[in-house]
Parts: sequence; structure tokens; C-alpha cells
Amino acid sequence: GENVEQHPSTLSVQEGDSAVIKCTYSDSASNYFPWYKQELGKRPQLIIDIRSNVGEKKDQRIAVTLNKTAKHFSLHITETQPEDSAVYFCAASPGGGSNYKLTFGKGTLLTVNP
Amino acid sequence: GAVVSQHPSWVICKSGTSVKIECRSLDFQATTMFWYRQFPKQSLMLMATSNEGSKATYEQGVEKDKFLINHASLTLSTLTVTSAHPEDSSFYICSASRRNTGELFFGEGSRLTVL
Repeated sequence: GENVEQHPSTLSVQEGDSAVIKCTYSDSASNYFPWYKQELGKRPQLIIDIRSNVGEKKDQRIAVTLNKTAKHFSLHITETQPEDSAVYFCAASPGGGSNYKLTFGKGTLLTVNP
Repeated sequence: GAVVSQHPSWVICKSGTSVKIECRSLDFQATTMFWYRQFPKQSLMLMATSNEGSKATYEQGVEKDKFLINHASLTLSTLTVTSAHPEDSSFYICSASRRNTGELFFGEGSRLTVL
């Protein structure tokens, strides 16, 4: 089955700096890679996703890059703000149709210091 | 946007009792629903995949007789934790895959505490 590794497990940055979280996956059949933000005790919220036919996607301060050959993808947050502090999870899935069985990374606790 | 509602949001029960958690897609039909378990400061672990009208598919290591899943309609799946024990205390989250598009939406989660 799929195995997703996520690094780092914790990340502390100063407000305004950039934050980068990296994930690798093992199953070459995976073609859908979402990123979720989870605040304590709440549901994961999808913040950005990318499919394997795209190498990069950007949404305001958030961007995701995908290297399918190397089987890794990364989340980039620029101009970080204190409200960006949360746990971020990457995930991988065969995706498509009705099959969105996600395998999650272990998460990264991001702390943005004002 | 699409809404997935989970109920109850938190429950406390005595050891040995059974607890049922509902997951509803409020404004769309969900072909597939997924149940996850999350321990404090850990990631979401997929427990089972629930397909409407058929038996759930459980992940390795998840006891199907312990965690009963029913997906009776395109908008409702239930997870019943049978004969709950303190080690079953956890945050349980469902997600629903929208029919036709496959988009995935998460419920709010249910925090179970077994005394």
C-alpha cells in the first residue's frame, strides 16, 4: 500500500518568513496530493491540492510543487502569519472518480511567531 | 460548499457500552465515506472505507466486529464502537466523497472518551 513520509514534524518561523513542508510517497499509482490544515480539535481543512499532470499550483500565499519522478511534493507558505499556525498534513491518493482513499503523512506542527 | 455533519461531536461513556457516531452529507450524495481515527498529536489513520449498500472495507489491524460500519443510504454512514474500552478513546472523523466528482469533505469529528 501507499506510504507517505512528511518532514519536518515541527517547524517554527518568524512572522513574514516562508515555511516549507516536504512529503514523499511510495506508490507510483498515486495521482492526487492534497494538503490539509488542522487546528486543534477541528476537522482538517483542504488548503490546496495538486494532481499528477501538474507540476506546480499556487493560491495566493500558498503553493504546492510536485515531482512525480522523484515521488515528492512540497507545500510552500510565503509571508507567514500567526493564523497560519496549525498542524499541516499532506496526503496521497489514487484519486479520480469516487476513489479518494487518502494516506496521510504524520503531520507538521507549524508555529508562526509574531 | 458541501457540508458533512457528524454527530455527536463528543461523547463520554462507560466501559463496556456501545457508541454510535453518525456521518451525514447534508447537500450531496456520497458514494463513499471514510472513517478515520486520530490520537492526540498524531495523524489521521484510515479505519475503513464505507460504500453505500455494501459491506465496509477495513484497513489492516482494524477489528470489524469492534467497529461496525453501516452505510445504508447515499447520505448517511454510521460507526458503532461496540463494547468500548478506555483504549478506544479517540477523535473519530468521517469524510464523504461526492458522487460523480469524488471531491472529499470532512465531518467535524467526534471525540469519544471511555471511562
